[in-house]
Order: sequence, then C-alpha cells, then structure tokens
Amino acid sequence: QKEVEQNSGPLSVPEGAIASLNCTYSDRGSQSFFWYRQYSGKSPELIMFIYSNGDKEDGRFTAQLNKASQYVSLLIRDSQPSDSATYLCAVNKAAAGGTSYGKLTFGQGTILTVHP
Amino acid sequence: EAGVTQFPSHSVIEKGQTVTLRCDPISGHDNLYWYRRVMGKEIKFLLHFVKESKQDESGMPNNRFLAERTGGTYSTLKVQPAELEDSGVYFCASSDRVRGEAFFGQGTRLTVV
Repeated sequence: QKEVEQNSGPLSVPEGAIASLNCTYSDRGSQSFFWYRQYSGKSPELIMFIYSNGDKEDGRFTAQLNKASQYVSLLIRDSQPSDSATYLCAVNKAAAGGTSYGKLTFGQGTILTVHP
Repeated sequence: EAGVTQFPSHSVIEKGQTVTLRCDPISGHDNLYWYRRVMGKEIKFLLHFVKESKQDESGMPNNRFLAERTGGTYSTLKVQPAELEDSGVYFCASSDRVRGEAFFGQGTRLTVV
C-alpha cells in the first residue's frame, strides 16, 4: 500500500465547475497536509496546507481534512482553464513549523484538465 | 525575492559518468531538501540539511549519491558513477525556521544513457 494515494486521473471538468481532488494516507501519525500545483516542466507550487480537521478556505480553494478517515481533499470552485495542472497531495509527520516540516511524502498526483 | 534555483535544468550523461547538480535555496532558509521523481513514480524525499548539517539522509538510494552544503548556503548533489536507474527529475526545496513550508525549485531533469 502506498503511503499517499491519489487518483491519477486525468480529471476533466468544464470551466466554471467545481473540481474535487482526493487523497488518502496510511500513516495515522501524519499531522500536516499540503496541496501543491505543478504545471508541466515547472516547480511544484504550494497552494494550500491544513493540519486541523475540517475545512480551510482560501479564495477559490478549499482543503478538507478528516483524520479519522485518513482523507484529505481539495475543492476548486469556478474552475478555470489556467487551473489545468497536476495536483500533488503531500503529508508530513511533523507538527507545523517543526524542523522536519519540509520532509514530505507525496502522492503520484492528479492531472486536472479544465476545458472551456 | 528569488525563489529556489537549480542548475542545470537538463543534463544528459552516459552511464558511468559523474554529474553534479546544484541548488541555491531562498536566501535565509536554513532547511534544504533534495527530492527525486523517477518516471511514473511519486516525488520521493532524498535528504534534508539544516544549515550545513545533514539532518536526515534516509532517502538516499545508495553511496553513489553524495550531497553537500558547504557554508550552509547552496547545495550540490553528486552522482558518481551514474546508472540508468538514476534518470529522473531532481528537485530541491527550502524552508525557513519559522513557517516551515517547503518551496520547490524547477528541478533538474537527469537522463542517463
């Protein structure tokens, strides 16, 4: 079993729709959860992080965390063609700001395509 | 503010040769990480520096890989001798002591032929 699992997709949604990206993780000791967006040939870009159960909203993005179910998701509202990218879920065992906070375990990523 | 910078962006070498990858972290970031993504697989952690010290090198695949961070600034990752399975994209990331979130460079695509 992989430590972090994502549906590789591709996930295709029409412009203006809600894109829902899902991620499960196996280590119950995981404390911090991240979503990175990566355009082809570019660096992974941090778009959201969450470490408490529930929802966290930032603009069009909402991260949802359920530690009991070991599940984290990312919702993108009003999807735009510019949101087309690979979305990487990553987890960390360290608490926020800890020395090893950047030691991440990644999923394989979900390719999202938003078509006009 | 400049982001994490990696050199070269691409490298093609023959099996048995040596390659050195370089990473310049964001200025002031004490933490520096190396990651690797081989084709079809997820990005995997290689090692972590805090300033010039290796904090965690549990992800280094074998002793053909040597990472250094002299003076706690830029870092190099040397592969010697390179094997075909070393092909992939090598990412560097850095973070500061306070917030901790990792910022990634664009990566070096290494192809061993």
